[in-house]
Parts: sequence; structure tokens; C-alpha cells
Amino acid sequence: DTGVSQDPRHKITKRGQNVTFRCDPISEHNRLYWYRQTLGQGPEFLTYFQNEAQLEKSRLLSDRFSAERPKGSFSTLEIQRTEQGDSAMYLCASSSSGFTDTQYFGPGTRLTVL
Amino acid sequence: AQSVTQPDIHITVSEGASLELRCNYSYGATPYLFWYVQSPGQGLQLLLKYFSGDTLVQGIKGFEAEFKRSQSSFNLRKPSVHWSDAAEYFCAVYASGGSYIPTFGRGTSLIVHP
Repeated sequence: DTGVSQDPRHKITKRGQNVTFRCDPISEHNRLYWYRQTLGQGPEFLTYFQNEAQLEKSRLLSDRFSAERPKGSFSTLEIQRTEQGDSAMYLCASSSSGFTDTQYFGPGTRLTVL
Repeated sequence: AQSVTQPDIHITVSEGASLELRCNYSYGATPYLFWYVQSPGQGLQLLLKYFSGDTLVQGIKGFEAEFKRSQSSFNLRKPSVHWSDAAEYFCAVYASGGSYIPTFGRGTSLIVHP
């Protein structure tokens, strides 16, 4: 068990560019979550997957954001036409399928939009 | 909708002193409550969680928390703080009858003086 991994750890981009982040969950975990964390705030839920199905999306997830988990394993989060307000830490977590199961978080990807 | 308030943005304690971090939640029914710790460059780590039963919950690293329904609180305590406890602490809640998506507080930054 190597834990949840995220790649890249840091991303600097110019406004208007597209970026994609990857999350590899703990291998036996069915659920995968994406959160956004801005400075001085707690994580905010963006979306989650049960296997390959995206079951819930926050209204924070604008049309510029899309997430996939094509084979129920790793997931990608893409932001199109980035804006300065997208600068944040993007966190991924995974858990077993029970709602009360512990979520294990990755180290996050820090995005800076110039 | 549920919400979480962590009224203290920063807490400073001396090493060896006791610690209490406050968390108040807002939710009409029985909540599920969590405390997470986030160290620089690390993912969030679960310290403890409460779902039901005994209102005093023991966690890892010597932490405990007490659920008080009458006060809508779930305060985190530790009898003797170590320098390695310096980190950001997040309280989270999700609704037992809701979507099981956690709502996090804004966090409390713990500073430990030698």
C-alpha cells in the first residue's frame, strides 16, 4: 500500500492555458474524491467517483472543469482556460465503498495561474 | 446544509502543555464528525472520527475528542503537546442522512513553542 499519489505536485501555468492533474488512489479503493483548498481555508468538495461513475459534482465545478476515472482506477482533473482564481491546492482522496469509510488523502497538486 | 466553524485561526501552546481546539457544527440530525491534521507538504491525515456511541473518541497520536450534542461541538484535545504536533487541524462534518460529502472548517493552525 503506497498511499494516494498525485502528479504533478506543482504546476505553474499562464492564464488561458489548460492543465491536467492525475490522481492514483489506493489500489483496492472504489471511491475517489477531488477537493480544492485555497490558502487559509479547508478543503472544498468538487466531485467524487464510485468506480468509474461520477456520482456527484459540486456547483464549484464550473464548465471549465472536467474529471474522469476511465477504468475505475486513476483519475484526471482537467481545467480548461485557466483563470487566476483557479490557483489553489487540488487534493485527491480515496476510500472503500462504505460512506463512513476513512478517506485517505494524497499530498495535493499546487496550481499557480499567472 | 451542514456547516463547520473553527473559531480559532491560530493557537499557540508551549511544548508539554495541554491543548484544546474548538469545532462547532450546524446540522439538524446526527452528524458524522472528523478531525484531520495537515502538515506542510503532507496530505490530510485522519486523527479520529465519531459516528455514534461513546461520545468521547480516542484517536491517533494521543488525541481525543468529545461530541457534545447540546453544544453542537466536537472539540479536539491532547493532554501534552509535542513539537511535532505543530500543523493545521481541520474539523469536518457530513450529514448522516445526506450525501456523505464532508464539509470542512477553515482550520486552526497550531504553533508549538519549545
